[in-house]
Amino acid sequence: KNQVEQSPQSLIILEGKNCTLQCNYTVSPFSNLRWYKQDTGRGPVSLTIMTFSENTKSNGRYTATLDADTKQSSLHITASQLSDSASYICVVSPALYNNNDMRFGAGTRLTVKP
Amino acid sequence: SQTIHQWPATLVQPVGSPLSLECTVEGTSNPNLYWYRQAAGRGLQLLFYSVGIGQISSEVPQNLSASRPQDRQFILSSKKLLLSDSGFYLCAWSSRDGFTDTQYFGPGTRLTVL
Repeated sequence: KNQVEQSPQSLIILEGKNCTLQCNYTVSPFSNLRWYKQDTGRGPVSLTIMTFSENTKSNGRYTATLDADTKQSSLHITASQLSDSASYICVVSPALYNNNDMRFGAGTRLTVKP
Repeated sequence: SQTIHQWPATLVQPVGSPLSLECTVEGTSNPNLYWYRQAAGRGLQLLFYSVGIGQISSEVPQNLSASRPQDRQFILSSKKLLLSDSGFYLCAWSSRDGFTDTQYFGPGTRLTVL
């Protein structure tokens, strides 16, 4: 069973609308959680990184939240643009200084339509 | 600024043929380097990581091997490709310092084994 579950698997919204993507994890211990954006056929690009002591972090129109007690995170996209169409990947690290032990979610495929 | 290159961008190879994918990083020194494979609808799977020249750690038993002949060069190889080796291969780097080191991904190589 994957230790990082993302929902929904795919999502279609109209340009200008907001949306929220979910990430639930069972990874323990927990060090940090990252959200990546991956355009089709490209490598992922980091959006946010949150440690266990942070519960929200913003990057422009992207706002990530983290509830380490319930092991849930969300990525909220405000005023969506066509360029937001991509896969969004949640990644959880169980240990400090250990980038070789990151657990990847399967991603949410977001399509923004005009 | 740092950049990461991968080539080729796409590759179609017959079963049983050899493979060599190359990844180079510019603008940084002593990076940690990673090879990932991404299958459709699945999370990224870490294949190899390296903390220095000639130092390779394998995460999963497989038909592939990796080498790091130079500080900023990482090569993924196979002597005989299998159908199951098809996928999207991503190289990534991260710095060795810091608490939550971001991984920076290359553009990826789409490998199709026929």
